[in-house]
Amino acid sequence: NAGVTQTPKFRILKIGQSMTLQCAQDMNHNYMYWYRQDPGMGLKLIYYSVGAGITDKGEVPNGYNVSRSTTEDFPLRLELAAPSQTSVYFCASIRGLRGSLSGANVLTFGAGSRLTVL
Amino acid sequence: GQQVMQIPQYQHVQEGEDFTTYCNSSTTLSNIQWYKQRPGGHPVFLIQLVKSGEVKKQKRLTFQFGEAKKNSSLHITATQTTDVGTYFCAGPTSGTYKYIFGTGTRLKVLA
Repeated sequence: NAGVTQTPKFRILKIGQSMTLQCAQDMNHNYMYWYRQDPGMGLKLIYYSVGAGITDKGEVPNGYNVSRSTTEDFPLRLELAAPSQTSVYFCASIRGLRGSLSGANVLTFGAGSRLTVL
Repeated sequence: GQQVMQIPQYQHVQEGEDFTTYCNSSTTLSNIQWYKQRPGGHPVFLIQLVKSGEVKKQKRLTFQFGEAKKNSSLHITATQTTDVGTYFCAGPTSGTYKYIFGTGTRLKVLA
């Protein structure tokens, strides 16, 4: 199992450009998440998904879009990049068993995608 | 919306000293999880607490979940240089899978 795979690892964008951050997991996890982490700061939830075809906003969704057409993939789209979106983006997933006291609800993170908007 | 605050924001300790970080949520949590992030790395799961008042230990680390399920703490006894990193608490509001992270405490251990 590769776990959670994010691509690209690094990217520099110009203001106004668009791009998609890819996230794929091979653990058959139901729930997937996108977080951003600004330098020296905590993680802020952008969007999350509880299953294919279902997505919901997190704490900081503005400027981003997501889709979940398959269980495995959860891409994050930036339509008009702005300097405020310079950050490290982490994708994460959990299996999501209701009422579970086991480790099934532990977040597994990808290695991150470092995005700079100039 | 749900907010999760941690104090202190930073802590520098001498190797061998103890360290504690506190986590406070504005809403009741279904469970609380703790993660550690090394510089340049991604968050890695440490432990999950589910029951009100629960206490768990992992070697030199002691985790507590408050009675009201709105606060938690992580205590490290006799810190080592390998403990360096940022410690985050995280949890979902009751009945959801919307995992919100705390603001984090960055620990630096001086040898």
